[in-house]
Amino acid sequence: DAGITQSPRYKITETGRQVTLMCHQTWSHSYMFWYRQDLGHGLRLIYYSAAADITDKGEVPDGYVVSRSKTENFPLTLESATRSQTSVYFCASSHSGTSTDTQYFGPGTRLTVL
Amino acid sequence: QKEVEQNSGPLSVPEGAIASLNCTYSDRGSQSFFWYRQYSGKSPELIMSIYSNGDKEDGRFTAQLNKASQYVSLLIRDSQPSDSATYLCAVGSEETSGSRLTFGEGTQLTVNP
Repeated sequence: DAGITQSPRYKITETGRQVTLMCHQTWSHSYMFWYRQDLGHGLRLIYYSAAADITDKGEVPDGYVVSRSKTENFPLTLESATRSQTSVYFCASSHSGTSTDTQYFGPGTRLTVL
Repeated sequence: QKEVEQNSGPLSVPEGAIASLNCTYSDRGSQSFFWYRQYSGKSPELIMSIYSNGDKEDGRFTAQLNKASQYVSLLIRDSQPSDSATYLCAVGSEETSGSRLTFGEGTQLTVNP
């Protein structure tokens, strides 16, 4: 039972390049989330998705694009990476998306933009 | 802007002591409250959730919620070195498109043998 996985786990890229971070979950959870974690800011929501083909912006969506063609996958794309996007990115999922539902986190992707 | 604030760390306690972690939130409409533990270099994992005023106990962990004061806390009794981690307070609220969590910055706890 893999749960929720992310790839790659580490990525180094250059300013201006496009980067896609992958997230895959095997629980058939309806809701999926992308967060970034930075010192001094904690975890901040980038985008979330209630179901396939339904996505919505979170607190810090600028510079990011998401898609969700299949329930189990929720890729995050940085169309033109900037140094300020250097961060640790966590994907999470939850069954129903209600306020009492637990979010389960993937292992994270550490992204460095040079 | 919904805010969640945690007591500044780092917090250091001796083994066997009680560690007290505190969190305040600004959105009175918040409905759910979570404590996540995050070891260095790892992802957050849920350790406690609480939805109504009062105390909730789970083993050595006790979560306390006071909605009138917009305050939630986590007590760790008989602290162990393995409890050394960053503890994240998260507050859930319903949005039109589903619930969302707002996280505090975290409090780093060190338990000294």
